[in-house]
Amino acid sequence: GENVEQHPSTLSVQEGDSAVIKCTYSDSASNYFPWYKQELGKGPQLIIDIRSNVGEKKDQRIAVTLNKTAKHFSLHITETQPEDSAVYFCAASEAANDYKLSFGAGTTVTVRA
Amino acid sequence: DGGITQSPKYLFRKEGQNVTLSCEQNLNHDAMYWYRQDPGQGLRLIYYSQIVNDFQKGDIAEGYSVSREKKESFPLTVTSAQKNPTAFYLCASSKQGANTEAFFGQGTRLTVV
Repeated sequence: GENVEQHPSTLSVQEGDSAVIKCTYSDSASNYFPWYKQELGKGPQLIIDIRSNVGEKKDQRIAVTLNKTAKHFSLHITETQPEDSAVYFCAASEAANDYKLSFGAGTTVTVRA
Repeated sequence: DGGITQSPKYLFRKEGQNVTLSCEQNLNHDAMYWYRQDPGQGLRLIYYSQIVNDFQKGDIAEGYSVSREKKESFPLTVTSAQKNPTAFYLCASSKQGANTEAFFGQGTRLTVV
């Protein structure tokens, strides 16, 4: 099955700076890579996703890049704000099962005012 | 408003007791999922259902059971056979498989006392 590793586990940034979270995956046939944001006491919410036929995708201050050759993808948050403080999870689809996502262990992001 | 609702938010159970967690969605989604979340770990799939009257085991199904008698509902029973049931449980739904956006509920925190 798919194995997803996520780094770093914690990240503290000054407000206004950028934050980068990296994930690697093992199954070269994976084709869908979502990123979820989870605020304290709540369920995760999709913030951006990318499919294997695209190398980069942006949505305002958030961007995701995918390197299929190296089997890694990254989340970039620019101009961080206090409301960006949360736990972020990356995930990768499993090629052998259309209903399975493998999640990374999560990154706790703290934006310092 | 469309969404996915889990209840209760907090649940306490005595050892040896079965307990059922509720999950209801009004998004008209075919697929529903149950995940378990432990500190420092990603989400792990317990069970999923592609369609009414069908469900499949995920990666950590032992000690859990589910039913899918209605499209809107996917309850999870944590049985006494689950050796370490204290965790945060998340229900999700998606229009189709894992390659489409998953919408999560607010979660149920189960504590065994």
